Amino acid sequence: GQNIDQPTEMTATEGAIVQINCTYQTSGFNGLFWYQQHAGEAPTFLSYNVLDGLEEKGRFSSFLSRSKGYSYLLLKELQMKDSASYLCAVREWRRKGGSYIPTFGRGTSLIVHP
Amino acid sequence: GAVVSQHPSRVICKSGTSVKIECRSLDFQATTMFWYRQFPKKSLMLMATSNEGSKATYEQGVEKDKFLINHASLTLSTLTVTSAHPEDSSFYICSAESRLAGVVDTQYFGPGTRLTVL
Repeated sequence: GQNIDQPTEMTATEGAIVQINCTYQTSGFNGLFWYQQHAGEAPTFLSYNVLDGLEEKGRFSSFLSRSKGYSYLLLKELQMKDSASYLCAVREWRRKGGSYIPTFGRGTSLIVHP
Repeated sequence: GAVVSQHPSRVICKSGTSVKIECRSLDFQATTMFWYRQFPKKSLMLMATSNEGSKATYEQGVEKDKFLINHASLTLSTLTVTSAHPEDSSFYICSAESRLAGVVDTQYFGPGTRLTVL
């Protein structure tokens, strides 16, 4: 099993930078994903990390440290449309069923204000 | 690419009836699909993992006789909520795994189905 922890809510100003942290405890780690979810909609894929380091993708970057069980999602040049829930998901091998199973954190609700 | 559709998007039914939800991967084949439910302002709760051609693997606490899952082909999985009750009202989301640039399997989500049981 695994324990995934991320802040419940964050607020930031339009144009600013925000960092959303995620810590986890797991065995059989096989990758960490970040998803964005707007209210009433399904999650959309943002990023994937399996090795330590920073992955940059436009305004969004994601960092992973496997030894620390820690990841963050960095959002630059915030826009109002970035207001959403951001979900951290850890993928691990599950012997039962023989599959890689992703488990989601509770999500961080980001509010961007003018 | 990697588009997942889900049907219906919204359904309202009477207590005691059964509801079938379809999940399709439109432009890729998915050997594994996942079914989640989500309550308002809560995270995704994995219900079961569906592998094509084999029985679904249910998470602890999820009744397999109530939530019937059939993964008939590499592009279609169905979830049937049998004898639905008001407490089954929720947002049901499916996802399908697609290999990301030949490196890793990542999940792509369907748009979700809002089920309301009266």
